[in-house]
Amino acid sequence: NAGVTQTPKFRVLKTGQSMTLLCAQDMNHEYMYWYRQDPGMGLRLIHYSVGEGTTAKGEVPDGYNVSRLKKQNFLLGLESAAPSQTSVYFCASTDPGQGLYEQYFGPGTRLTVT
Amino acid sequence: RKEVEQDPGPFNVPEGATVAFNCTYSNSASQSFFWYRQDCRKEPKLLMSVYSSGNEDGRFTAQLNRASQYISLLIRDSKLSDSATYLCVVTDDGNKLVFGAGTILRVKS
Repeated sequence: NAGVTQTPKFRVLKTGQSMTLLCAQDMNHEYMYWYRQDPGMGLRLIHYSVGEGTTAKGEVPDGYNVSRLKKQNFLLGLESAAPSQTSVYFCASTDPGQGLYEQYFGPGTRLTVT
Repeated sequence: RKEVEQDPGPFNVPEGATVAFNCTYSNSASQSFFWYRQDCRKEPKLLMSVYSSGNEDGRFTAQLNRASQYISLLIRDSKLSDSATYLCVVTDDGNKLVFGAGTILRVKS
């Protein structure tokens, strides 16, 4: 099993450009999450999903959109990138049937917006 | 006030030392507590859960004090491979985890 994978691993965008980050998991997990991690801030939740076709806002949703059309995939979109969105983005998944709280993380996407 | 607060460190300790990390949380409704470990430029991984009765996993001991809303992690006989950032994590009252900013540990030979 690959676990949680993220595409791409690195990306540089110019201000105003758009992009989509892809997260895929092969563990049949119901819940999926997108976080961003900035120095000194810890991980902050952007959006999450508790099942196929559902999404919800986290702590810092502004400037991002998400979609969960298939259970195994969770997409994070930036419609008009800003330098403040320079960060490391982590996707995670978990199965509430296993106690919910051990989240499995992907390797991260390092995004720079210039 | 941050929901989960940790001393950022870094804690610089020699091999074989015992080191303790502390964490406080503000949401009294939090029900579950964890320590995650994050290596440099890698993803976080679950280290251990924290129970009210305290729990031990090898050289690692975690304690929870619900009354004081305080969590601790003790590492005995530190190894070079323990060098990492340790994240204190609590649940909110829903489906989400709240992460502390992390405490950096550097174990030196």
